[in-house]
Amino acid sequence: GQSLEQPSEVTAVEGAIVQINCTYQTSGFYGLSWYQQHDGGAPTFLSYNALDGLEETGRFSSFLSRSDSYGYLLLQELQMKDSASYFCAVRDTNRDDKIIFGKGTRLHILP
Amino acid sequence: DAGITQSPRHKVTETGTPVTLRCHQTENHRYMYWYRQDPGHGLRLIHYSYGVKDTDKGEVSDGYSVSRSKTEDFLLTLESATSSQTSVYFCATGGQGADNEQFFGPGTRLTVL
Repeated sequence: GQSLEQPSEVTAVEGAIVQINCTYQTSGFYGLSWYQQHDGGAPTFLSYNALDGLEETGRFSSFLSRSDSYGYLLLQELQMKDSASYFCAVRDTNRDDKIIFGKGTRLHILP
Repeated sequence: DAGITQSPRHKVTETGTPVTLRCHQTENHRYMYWYRQDPGHGLRLIHYSYGVKDTDKGEVSDGYSVSRSKTEDFLLTLESATSSQTSVYFCATGGQGADNEQFFGPGTRLTVL
């Protein structure tokens, strides 16, 4: 079954902050990754958390808590170009190190 | 970019015909993957390769086969295409580095009538 759960859609206003959550049910993994995908495009890598805590890259930050089996992607100062789908992913040591993706969160940004 | 190309980019075919999709990379990455993407399902792993002639199944491998005779090329074959295999197919490389970053090709949109 699906090991990664994330909301299917999130809506936010331009200039605001939005958080996209990801919960997972695997006990063995090499950290949590995030990807962005625009309509008609390919997924592109955004961030990776190997350890607990917050990683910041410009307007985007990502957080991991292994004890809570939880992570999130935080997008600040939202721009219209951030309208896209966002996927969390893990390399699952319980599945022969296969990379497993969540179903994705569609982010809608209102002007 | 990791220099990943996919061919063809679009294909329409009929049920029962064989189809081969090609992925070519120029970065000498050891690992290569084939995913399919469908609405509501995200990215699902079909097959992957961890070296020349070394391949393994993903979560949705039924009806698909792969081959990797050279480091740079990874082929996905639908032996007898069905309408349920209508999808967007992405090839990817990497995923085994310190940050698990994968690099994706532009995708192939396949329609099986």
